[in-house]
Amino acid sequence: SQQGEEDPQALSIQEGENATMNCSYKTSINNLQWYRQNSGRGLVHLILIRSNEREKHSGRLRVTLDTSKKSSSLLITASRAADTASYFCATWPPHTGGFKTIFGAGTRLFVKA
Amino acid sequence: DVKVTQSSRYLVKRTGEKVFLECVQDMDHENMFWYRQDPGLGLRLIYFSYDVKMKEKGDIPEGYSVSREKKERFSLILESASTNQTSMYLCASSLRGLGRNTEAFFGQGTRLTVV
Repeated sequence: SQQGEEDPQALSIQEGENATMNCSYKTSINNLQWYRQNSGRGLVHLILIRSNEREKHSGRLRVTLDTSKKSSSLLITASRAADTASYFCATWPPHTGGFKTIFGAGTRLFVKA
Repeated sequence: DVKVTQSSRYLVKRTGEKVFLECVQDMDHENMFWYRQDPGLGLRLIYFSYDVKMKEKGDIPEGYSVSREKKERFSLILESASTNQTSMYLCASSLRGLGRNTEAFFGQGTRLTVV
């Protein structure tokens, strides 16, 4: 079963705008990760935030984590056409023994040039 | 540059055929995974392996088996392919977890069509 659920399912913005995607999950986690997938390709890891962290930055990416609400958000600032992709959150629940990463269904982002 | 390589990008097989999907990683990772990805369903875990010759069922193992004879190679086997196994198959690897970074590295995917 999928623990992470992204919102919105799809997002269309103009180049230069910011894009915000949200992820909710159900159980406790050790960390939460965001991945990107270009059309028809494998997933690429973007950023990992641990359960004791609240915010993390990497280039134009900003991730927040609210464990009390069991939610995370991914902000892409100053978006570019090349950011067009699907974005997935993935959680790593401790009860899986460190073996399973659970992915959501993803947010499809389209950045118009 | 770290790499997870899947043997085929595209594959077309007939119903009832035995299908082998191969995955090789060069990062000396303990964990390896097979997912299938279908529109609107995200990634669903089929099987994973945390060591050579070890395997565990994921969420949707029915109709599949796996083999891990060497640390770097993890094979997914469709015993008798059916049309509902038409999907994108993704292999991934990671270090063993519990306190370590557990980011997964993915192959490029195999789009399998069963006719």
